[in-house]
Amino acid sequence: DTEVTQTPKHLVMGMTNKKSLKCEQHMGHRAMYWYKQKAKKPPELMFVYSYEKLSINESVPSRFSPECPNSSLLNLHLHALQPEDSALYLCASSHPAASGNTIYFGEGSWLTVV
Amino acid sequence: AQSVSQHNHHVILSEAASLELGCNYSYGGTVNLFWYVQYPGQHLQLLLKYFSGDPLVKGIKGFEAEFIKSKFSFNLRKPSVQWSDTAEYFCAVNPTGGGNKLTFGTGTQLKVEL
Repeated sequence: DTEVTQTPKHLVMGMTNKKSLKCEQHMGHRAMYWYKQKAKKPPELMFVYSYEKLSINESVPSRFSPECPNSSLLNLHLHALQPEDSALYLCASSHPAASGNTIYFGEGSWLTVV
Repeated sequence: AQSVSQHNHHVILSEAASLELGCNYSYGGTVNLFWYVQYPGQHLQLLLKYFSGDPLVKGIKGFEAEFIKSKFSFNLRKPSVQWSDTAEYFCAVNPTGGGNKLTFGTGTQLKVEL
């Protein structure tokens, strides 16, 4: 079983809603990530947090707002999303965000925007 | 920027057949290499990884991969597949010395028939 826990597993939201995806890890990792995966496609990196600070933003639209309250938690705040944002959102973590550290993935949150 | 190619998008094998999935990457420097597996309805799991040393690496569930630097390849192999190996397989790379940015290939859907 993965040690990266994501909630909710499924979320349906309207285009005017505000919702959040949550992620938690207790492996002592200091880097956390958000990836987006569309059906039949590979995961695409969205954000990287290293020591609770945002270190990488892959030009993600501002309707996605990440937050890292502490070293174990990572949130993704969603507002005014579009139907094309429907996807599987994967949280991941690793030891410090240095190249080569294995990245461990959660089971994902399935998001449907209606 | 690095890129990853997986040329086999769909592979169908009978149980006990041998498996080889191709992975080629494009990057001018040194990279760390990974194979992840995603079983139906489950999260991404690490199969194996290569950082340095012996270019033949062994992973879980009888999988192995060989790094051939001159060919920029990291092909995944298994001598005898099982029905339970049915899954999506992703090759991924990240450059050494930088942030931990995994770039995934497009994936190979493997179906093993009884």
